[in-house]
Amino acid sequence: NAGVTQTPKFQVLKTGQSMTLQCAQDMNHEYMSWYRQDPGMGLRLIHYSVGAGITDQGEVPNGYNVSRSTTEDFPLRLLSAAPSQTSVYFCASSTQGPSSSYNSPLHFGNGTRLTVT
Amino acid sequence: GQQVMQIPQYQHVQEGEDFTTYCNSSTTLSNIQWYKQRPGGHPVFLIQLVKSGEVKKQKRLTFQFGEAKKNSSLHITATQTTDVGTYFCAGPYGGATNKLIFGTGTLLAVQP
Repeated sequence: NAGVTQTPKFQVLKTGQSMTLQCAQDMNHEYMSWYRQDPGMGLRLIHYSVGAGITDQGEVPNGYNVSRSTTEDFPLRLLSAAPSQTSVYFCASSTQGPSSSYNSPLHFGNGTRLTVT
Repeated sequence: GQQVMQIPQYQHVQEGEDFTTYCNSSTTLSNIQWYKQRPGGHPVFLIQLVKSGEVKKQKRLTFQFGEAKKNSSLHITATQTTDVGTYFCAGPYGGATNKLIFGTGTLLAVQP
């Protein structure tokens, strides 16, 4: 059981380049999300999805796009990379359902370390 | 905007000493979760608290949710080198059960 798989593990981009961070989960989780982690700032929510075809913005969505065409995949796109997007990106999934009273625990991938020069 | 702060940011202890990290939210939380992230790793879920004043234990770890549901703490008794890592609390973002906001984290270093 692979859980949440992120690719690539490392990436270096030049300012203005575009790229897609891949995230796939095999746990049949409806809920998927993207976080970025910067020193001293914890993890900040970028975008999330409660099911295929449904996405919404988190705390820091600017500069990022997402789509959710299948339950398994939730790619994160950087259309024009900026040095401020240098960070570690984590994808996470959970069993969160629409009628849940509390937040469900998140299962995280191993992360993608992105550097933008 | 909503904030979840943790203190201290960093704690260095000798193996065998106790450790406590505190989590303070600017808003009332319906539930709070705690995660541990080993150096170079990803966050791993530890526990969830939902009731006011709730206390839960996992071996040497004791988790507490404040009476007002705006703060929480994690206490580790007799730290071991395997406890090294960053501990995060997390709660609902904007009160939504489908969004989690994370605290700033506390990095624990344990010297053998």
